[in-house]
Amino acid sequence: EVQLVETGGGLVQPGNSLKLSCATSGFTFSTAWMNWIRQTPGKRLEWLAQIEDKSNNYFISYLESVKGRFTISRDDSKSSVYLQMNNLKEEDTAIYYCTTYSYWGQGVMVTVSS
Amino acid sequence: DIVMTQAPLSVSVTPGESASISCRSSKSLLHSNGITYVYWYLQKPGKSPQLLIYRMSNLASGVPDRFSGSGSETDFTLKISRVEAEDVGIYYCGQLLENPRTFGGGTKLELK
Repeated sequence: EVQLVETGGGLVQPGNSLKLSCATSGFTFSTAWMNWIRQTPGKRLEWLAQIEDKSNNYFISYLESVKGRFTISRDDSKSSVYLQMNNLKEEDTAIYYCTTYSYWGQGVMVTVSS
Repeated sequence: DIVMTQAPLSVSVTPGESASISCRSSKSLLHSNGITYVYWYLQKPGKSPQLLIYRMSNLASGVPDRFSGSGSETDFTLKISRVEAEDVGIYYCGQLLENPRTFGGGTKLELK
């Protein structure tokens, strides 16, 4: 059974940081291109970042509006992908999903508020 | 960025009848390899999005064949035949041709 489990969400003040983790199992993580996508309170889906696999030199892409604030990374030995989020803003409030596009985690809520 | 536009915003369907959802992209999603990179997802209430259709017309594993996808380079349709109660939720189209990946605003399907 395929599983993706996100952790690390919560309530954080503007300007602070948060690191999300996504632990996976049930598929060949090492060859999967992993992504973070968020869903805003208005239900809009917004792709944030992608990290390719080792054969593609772990190439990374970001949504322009989060470039420089968010950092995606992966650990193939742990079948996990991460999203470091710095200088968080209220508009970053959303449910954050890790996904291969075929498989999605259950999501983790991030609330940025003072 | 490629803009994905869905219509309608919501649709109300009698169980057993059919429903169609449209999606239009601002740029051709046909790659030079012959694959059209449009995907369809269903988000059931309180759940994560689940893949229904990949590469325009391919049914994802475990998805009932009541669902089908079709289209051209920029205009796409998701058809649901014989709608059932379990089909309720928000449907999204998305393009995986290029970064940034983008999604339509969603179409909410309800039962009459």
